[in-house]
Amino acid sequence: GAGVSQSPSNKVTEKGKDVELRCDPISGHTALYWYRQSLGQGLEFLIYFQGNSAPDKSGLPSDRFSAERTGGSVSTLTIQRTQQEDSAVYLCASSPVGGGTEAFFGQGTRLTVV
Amino acid sequence: AQKVTQAQTEISVVEKEDVTLDCVYETRDTTYYLFWYKQPPSGELVFLIRRNSFDEQNEISGRYSWNFQKSTSSFNFTITASQVVDSAVYFCALSEVRLRGGADGLTFGKGTHLIIQP
Repeated sequence: GAGVSQSPSNKVTEKGKDVELRCDPISGHTALYWYRQSLGQGLEFLIYFQGNSAPDKSGLPSDRFSAERTGGSVSTLTIQRTQQEDSAVYLCASSPVGGGTEAFFGQGTRLTVV
Repeated sequence: AQKVTQAQTEISVVEKEDVTLDCVYETRDTTYYLFWYKQPPSGELVFLIRRNSFDEQNEISGRYSWNFQKSTSSFNFTITASQVVDSAVYFCALSEVRLRGGADGLTFGKGTHLIIQP
């Protein structure tokens, strides 16, 4: 596809379970970002990948959150031992380079922890 | 630390009215980028504009216009002759540029929910 693709679009999980969210960026985009959008918190930056550089993890809220990007393309965001406060829409974005270029967003994964 | 403030949580106007969405930012850097994104009910964030900190020229694109003023750290967005299809949440965002060539992620404001009534 031409845009950023995220899967699943919706995920309901029980508290304490682990979840994996997937992001397929636009082909050729070197920069990839994860954000979280929740009521009352707006859009929060989570993590940033740029090429082969070490990722910027400064936005990850706890050590239950991790992300990887394989082969400079697909990224997976993993949340371990989910809590109810993890319920949110998780948005992925990619851009051709970093440094303030336009970021293209996917439609997000809506995570509900029950 | 960087911060973006959108003081207007919700604005409601009647179609064809002009409306301005305010954005005020804070940053210690001299080089940065400012953005506006639109999030319609479908949920996907749609890029509207990017402006770098060295370019204070105002920009007009159709019914949309942006007023960047470094002196007041503001980057306001005006929709002229609003239409029902403009109804959405609008986010202002800031990105700083690190020396190593990467960028911090976008710091978003909390958004302004714009409602255009027919």
